[in-house]
Amino acid sequence: AQSVTQLDSQVPVFEEAPVELRCNYSSSVSVYLFWYVQYPNQGLQLLLKYLSGSTLVESINGFEAEFNKSQTSFHLRKPSVHISDTAEYFCAVSLGNQFYFGTGTSLTVIP
Amino acid sequence: DAGITQSPRYKITETGRQVTLMCHQTWSHSYMFWYRQDLGHGLRLIYYSAAADITDKGEVPDGYVVSRSKTENFPLTLESATRSQTSVYFCASGWGSNTEAFFGQGTRLTVV
Repeated sequence: AQSVTQLDSQVPVFEEAPVELRCNYSSSVSVYLFWYVQYPNQGLQLLLKYLSGSTLVESINGFEAEFNKSQTSFHLRKPSVHISDTAEYFCAVSLGNQFYFGTGTSLTVIP
Repeated sequence: DAGITQSPRYKITETGRQVTLMCHQTWSHSYMFWYRQDLGHGLRLIYYSAAADITDKGEVPDGYVVSRSKTENFPLTLESATRSQTSVYFCASGWGSNTEAFFGQGTRLTVV
């Protein structure tokens, strides 16, 4: 069965500091990779996705993620976080028309 | 309005009662999904549908029933609610595995 591991359940970070949220998946076949963000009392919103092509993908609000096939990882990074980035972040893998989600990482940005 | 909507947003029901959560999407997406979100478990797939009249079980289907008579609707029914089904339920839709899924706002269900 497919599994997605988010290694950190909670990540506190000071405003304007860099952050990395880690994601590893288990699959020996090609997959599609996604990061979603969830703000309090809201649904999940797509942050960025890797389908093919360049292994580095970027979002419009400064996040980026790099697909590493050899390490089966898709870590999310931002060089300088803002208070508004405080949210829950989910890594997801798409395989066989199903989406498999990690357990989430709660990012808290400290002023 | 275009998008995916869930109703109700909040629901309290008693143990043993039947309750139906509604999901409607306006994009004509082929695929629709139902997830439950619980602390420590992330999102777990309950059921999904590849098209009208085609449904399949996900990771945690027990105690739930779905139907999809129309492409745009995908209701989820708890036939006899139990306290363990207290959760936040999310509906999602998409074109398939090579594109993203779009999520509704969620339904917070409490079974007392």
